[in-house]
Amino acid sequence: QSVLTQPPSASGTPGQTVTISCSGSSSNIGPNTVYWYQQLPGTAPRLLIYKNNQRPSGVPDRFSGSKSGTSASLAISGLRSDDEADYYCASWDDSLYGVGFGGGTKLTVL
Amino acid sequence: EVQLVESGGNLVQPGGSLRLSCAASSFILKNYWMHWVRQTPGKGLVWVSRINPGGSITNYADSVKGRFSISRDYARNTMFLQMNSLRAEDTAIYYCARDVGGEHDIWGQGTMVTVSS
Repeated sequence: QSVLTQPPSASGTPGQTVTISCSGSSSNIGPNTVYWYQQLPGTAPRLLIYKNNQRPSGVPDRFSGSKSGTSASLAISGLRSDDEADYYCASWDDSLYGVGFGGGTKLTVL
Repeated sequence: EVQLVESGGNLVQPGGSLRLSCAASSFILKNYWMHWVRQTPGKGLVWVSRINPGGSITNYADSVKGRFSISRDYARNTMFLQMNSLRAEDTAIYYCARDVGGEHDIWGQGTMVTVSS
């Protein structure tokens, strides 16, 4: 069982906007920042969003993050076929004293 | 190019030991917190351990506490994960990752550890 809760799957058609949710608690997302990672098939994870809503250089502005209370979400607009990947949220957990990851959401572009 | 390269993964019997290495290129490892994260094939990411820049602070997931030990060698610009008393449930791809302000901005390609008789 993962520390953070994500839907196992999401889907959309090219050009659509898809939103992936990430639910946590008062020991992780509540007091701490949220990170999002993209993992393409057969590759290592890649940082997509940091500090709730910041994008590293090289990440398109189609990707955006937000946080409210003990939940966060990742929005992908202008969906493309190469966005097909697994997406993970993460946050420091003050109770576990470690990084908590979500179980991952598999995005399918129909 | 800034990168991390893991090595040391292998097939090992239950109860056995293995040491993983994570070599850094084009940046100084000792300036960063560093982490190990694992992933059972087909499953999600699970945090394993972290070490501070000075090497004096280490933290572990409950599932590996007392069995795994994280360390670093400044001269070799390399981080290690010593894994003892290995169990079948430790079977996974092990990634090392650099921490900048909390987020993992650089990841290695991973090394596979299989625990099986």
